[in-house]
Amino acid sequence: ETGVTQSPTHLIKTRGQQVTLRCSSQSGHNTVSWYQQALGQGPQFIFQYYREEENGRGNFPPRFSGLQFPNYSSELNVNALELDDSALYLCASSSGPGANVLTFGAGSRLTVL
Amino acid sequence: ELKVEQNPLFLSMQEGKNYTIYCNYSTTSDRLYWYRQDPGKSLESLFVLLSNGAVKQEGRLMASLDTKARLSTLHITAAVHDLSATYFCAVDGYGGATNKLIFGTGTLLAVQP
Repeated sequence: ETGVTQSPTHLIKTRGQQVTLRCSSQSGHNTVSWYQQALGQGPQFIFQYYREEENGRGNFPPRFSGLQFPNYSSELNVNALELDDSALYLCASSSGPGANVLTFGAGSRLTVL
Repeated sequence: ELKVEQNPLFLSMQEGKNYTIYCNYSTTSDRLYWYRQDPGKSLESLFVLLSNGAVKQEGRLMASLDTKARLSTLHITAAVHDLSATYFCAVDGYGGATNKLIFGTGTLLAVQP
């Protein structure tokens, strides 16, 4: 059974650029959530995807968007990058929106210059 | 707005000592999670507490939940250096069992030999 895998692990972008982060959910999991963790802070919920639809969103602007594919993998897209978008982006998968076990990936560390 | 507060934010303790980390949250929640994070790493699930009075133990760590007081504690017994990490509590923040988590600020634990 494979866990949650994320790519890329590290990347550097400049202000105004766009970025796509990818997440493969754990085998048997159909729900993917994305979190942003700024340095020294707790993770903040961005949004969740279930059955290829957005199933709830945190307090993030529309330039944060996502997709979920039929194989339950997911992408997080961020447009018009700002310096404050520099963070560790974590993906978590679960066996359903109500499941009480979330498995987190290792994260993608984004630096915006 | 649901808030999750942890204290202390930083805890330096000697090996062999006992201590407790506190997690307060501002509205009702169905579930309370504890996670461990090592520097630069992802989140490792420690405990999921599902009901009032729930107590779970794993090794030197014991977590409890009081839903009436909106308080969870993580008790460390006879600390060892390997427990040094940041500990987060989190609650279901968007109504019901949705696993859209609101995290606390984290407690950085440093166990000194």
